[in-house]
Amino acid sequence: EVQLEESGGGVVRPGGSLRLSCAASGFTFGDYGMSWVRQAPGKGLEWVSGINWNGGSAGYADSVKGRFTISRDNAKNSLHLQMSSLRAEDTAFYYCARPSGSSIPSYFASWGQGTLVTVSS
Amino acid sequence: EMVMTQSPATLSVSPGERATLSCRASQSVSSNLAWYQQKPGQAPRLLIYGASTRATGIPARFSGSGSGTEFTLTISSLQSEDFAVYYCQQYYMWPPLTFGGGTKVEIK
Repeated sequence: EVQLEESGGGVVRPGGSLRLSCAASGFTFGDYGMSWVRQAPGKGLEWVSGINWNGGSAGYADSVKGRFTISRDNAKNSLHLQMSSLRAEDTAFYYCARPSGSSIPSYFASWGQGTLVTVSS
Repeated sequence: EMVMTQSPATLSVSPGERATLSCRASQSVSSNLAWYQQKPGQAPRLLIYGASTRATGIPARFSGSGSGTEFTLTISSLQSEDFAVYYCQQYYMWPPLTFGGGTKVEIK
């Protein structure tokens, strides 16, 4: 069974930094691209960033480009999102999502339960 | 950026009735369109991919159709567990991957 477990969320002040992690199990992590998708409380879904199977290619939403960095460690079956220069509008649940294959543009067959990031002074 | 527009924003339906949800893309996405269901406090669940292929374990009452810019998700006979928010997502053009704003299906 595919399992994705996010961690690292919390309360941070505007301008601060936070690192999210996603622990993957139940599948061969290195065979799949991975993405982060966020959802502000009571709002819709927004794709944040994605990375291909070996970390050689990554993409970002314009809203986070230059502030967030996605990375992965295939040896540890883990995905990360380094977030800096955080803004109030970054407040959201952040989901780790696995697409159908090794590349980034895909639908998301599996999702974690999400971790909440709150940016507030 | 590919803009995905869902309509209506809210759909009021009685149990047992048919529900038809629409999703429109600002440019053609071919058949690279997925549908998700999300219930309160839960992560989204994949229902449909490739515009019309049901994901594993999804009941046959859920069906998807369309290609290009116009897509439809149909729930043939609404069950109590189907009341939720539904999102479409295109994966034809990126970055970014984009979602529609969602349609809430509520009990009439």
